[in-house]
Amino acid sequence: GAGVSQSPRYKVAKRGQDVALRCDPISGHVSLFWYQQALGQGPEFLTYFQNEAQLDKSGLPSDRFFAERPEGSVSTLKIQRTQQEDSAVYLCASSLVPRGGGYTFGSGTRLTVV
Amino acid sequence: AQKITQTQPGMFVQEKEAVTLDCTYDTSDQSYGLFWYKQPSSGEMIFLIYQGSYDEQNATEGRYSLNFQKARKSANLVISASQLGDSAMYFCAMSPNFGNEKLTFGTGTRLTIIP
Repeated sequence: GAGVSQSPRYKVAKRGQDVALRCDPISGHVSLFWYQQALGQGPEFLTYFQNEAQLDKSGLPSDRFFAERPEGSVSTLKIQRTQQEDSAVYLCASSLVPRGGGYTFGSGTRLTVV
Repeated sequence: AQKITQTQPGMFVQEKEAVTLDCTYDTSDQSYGLFWYKQPSSGEMIFLIYQGSYDEQNATEGRYSLNFQKARKSANLVISASQLGDSAMYFCAMSPNFGNEKLTFGTGTRLTIIP
C-alpha cells in the first residue's frame, strides 16, 4: 500500500476483554515497530520486528501484551485482559532501512478501556 | 539509556515569523541519530528532519533546520516563515546507531500559529 495502515482506527473495550490491533506496513518494508502513546505524552517503544523475527520486546509493559508478525508483513499487537491503564494510542511504524528518518508511521489505533 | 527533554509544553507564534523549538538529549552512545516529527490532530507522525551525531553540518529540509550543538547536547528545530498548517505537536526523538533501532521521544511541544 501507499502508507502504513492500522485498524481499527478506534476501539472501545470493556476491562478484562482481549483486543487485537492490526498493522499493515508498506509493502517490502523489513522493519516494523510498535509504540504506545498515552494522552499528552510522546510515543514509547513497545517492540520491534525485522521481517518475522521479534528482535526487541523490551518495551512491552506486561505479559498481557503480545505481538507477532508471522509472515514478515502484517503485524498484530494483542492485549489480553485489558486494564484502564492500557488506554492509549498505539502507533505502528515501518521502514525499509530504519536510518535517517526512514520510518513511516500509521495513524494509530486509539484504544479506550472502560 | 537515552533521554530527550522538551521544556516548552506550548508555544504561540505569529504567522510568517520564525520559531525555535527546544530539545536537549542525554546519551552515552557515540553514534546516534536525532529526529523531529510533527503530529497533527489526525494522529500520524510525520518525519521532518534528521541529524546524525557525526554530521558536521546542520541538517536542513526546506523551511526546517536543525540547530545541532553537540557539546551542549541540544538539537533545536527552527521553522522559518511559519504557516497556519504548521500548528501541531512537535516531537524530538533520538535513536542509537544513527537510527537503526528504536526511537526515544520527548514529551512534545504544541505549536499554535496565530493568523
